[in-house]
Amino acid sequence: GAVVSQHPSRVICKSGTSVKIECRSLDFQATTMFWYRQFPKQSLMLMATSNEGSKATYEQGVEKDKFLINHASLTLSTLTVTSAHPEDSSFYICSAGGAGPGNTIYFGEGSWLTVV
Amino acid sequence: KQEVTQIPAALSVPEGENLVLNCSFTDSAIYNLQWFRQDPGKGLTSLLLIQSSQREQTSGRLNASLDKSSGRSTLYIAASQPGDSATYLCAVKYSGNTPLVFGKGTRLSVIA
Repeated sequence: GAVVSQHPSRVICKSGTSVKIECRSLDFQATTMFWYRQFPKQSLMLMATSNEGSKATYEQGVEKDKFLINHASLTLSTLTVTSAHPEDSSFYICSAGGAGPGNTIYFGEGSWLTVV
Repeated sequence: KQEVTQIPAALSVPEGENLVLNCSFTDSAIYNLQWFRQDPGKGLTSLLLIQSSQREQTSGRLNASLDKSSGRSTLYIAASQPGDSATYLCAVKYSGNTPLVFGKGTRLSVIA
């Protein structure tokens, strides 16, 4: 079964509204989670590193005020897309685990966001 | 800059063929390397994880090799099946708690 759960899997929202995506580690505690974005036919690009109990670290070019990340517990990180625009429509996916050399990184199922 | 390149970008083969997907990375000081499968509109499924000290890993019809000195990894798929059709992603990790650096993937189509 899945060890990282992501919700919702698909969401359609109106332009200007906000959408929250949740990422949960089910079988382990994750002090760090990563959020990626994937545009059609492109690879996954890291957006930010979510750190439990502290501020997220954003990659260059990713607006921290637009993509709010909250990692309030060891098993949950949330990504909120604020004031969404059609160009934010994308596949968002989180990952956790992999801190040890032999530890596999697990990915959530991903969330398809469509902004209309 | 740490980059991961995958060749070819797309590949179409008849069912039953053996095939090789290639991955190269610019910085050889890797922590580990992982191959994933992504079906259209879906998330990622981990296929094989190779630690930096290992040369290869096998799982069923899949075999992944790692040559750190040359900055290369290959994913070998034996006796391909239509169900193998998907995008295969190579990703490199450079230290324990850092994110993966992904290649753009190879889109595989296995024709029955």
